[in-house]
Amino acid sequence: AQTVTQSQPEMSVQEAETVTLSCTYDTSESNYYLFWYKQPPSRQMILVIRQEAYKQQNATENRFSVNFQKAAKSFSLKISDSQLGDTAMYFCAFHPYTGANSKLTFGKGITLSVRP
Amino acid sequence: GAGVSQSPSNKVTEKGKDVELRCDPISGHTALYWYRQSLGQGLEFLIYFQGNSAPDKSGLPSDRFSAERTGGSVSTLTIQRTQQEDSAVYLCASSPRGRGVDYEQYFGPGTRLTVT
Repeated sequence: AQTVTQSQPEMSVQEAETVTLSCTYDTSESNYYLFWYKQPPSRQMILVIRQEAYKQQNATENRFSVNFQKAAKSFSLKISDSQLGDTAMYFCAFHPYTGANSKLTFGKGITLSVRP
Repeated sequence: GAGVSQSPSNKVTEKGKDVELRCDPISGHTALYWYRQSLGQGLEFLIYFQGNSAPDKSGLPSDRFSAERTGGSVSTLTIQRTQQEDSAVYLCASSPRGRGVDYEQYFGPGTRLTVT
């Protein structure tokens, strides 16, 4: 079974600054996907970024990038030039590459507040 | 195109009553998932449908919970004899096939269930 740990329950950042959200996971799988999802107050879960474990290059999506350390089983999200609209809960999630266990395992989430 | 829709948006019910929550996935998506999100918690997997295969019910917390998916499209989550601990946001997600990059899940806005 997989576990996903987000040890920081809350973080705050000043608008325009950079913030890093931490995530670690535990698995015996060698191939898998990792995701960061954003859940604003509207409750709508939105995919922020995705990383495939077999790719060494860290994924980037505009102001969002990850630091994927496979050996350390670490998958942190960096948000650059933070904006007020980035205020939300952020969830790290794990999905095995194949197999019958086709479901996402989520961390408990972190509440990010962007201060004006 | 249209995203995942869920109804009702909010539901208040008395303890002991039955409730039905509805999910309309994105057209053509063969995989459908139900999750429960309690206050301040991450997402808890409930059940997963993939095409015509038998659903993965391993996350259902008790036999009061059941779900069906008719015609490979709309899904209904039923909670019988509701208890106060059932109060949570129930999220539905769909994905195209559950393989490769199609593991990406698209979430609905959720149904907030309050049991009084």
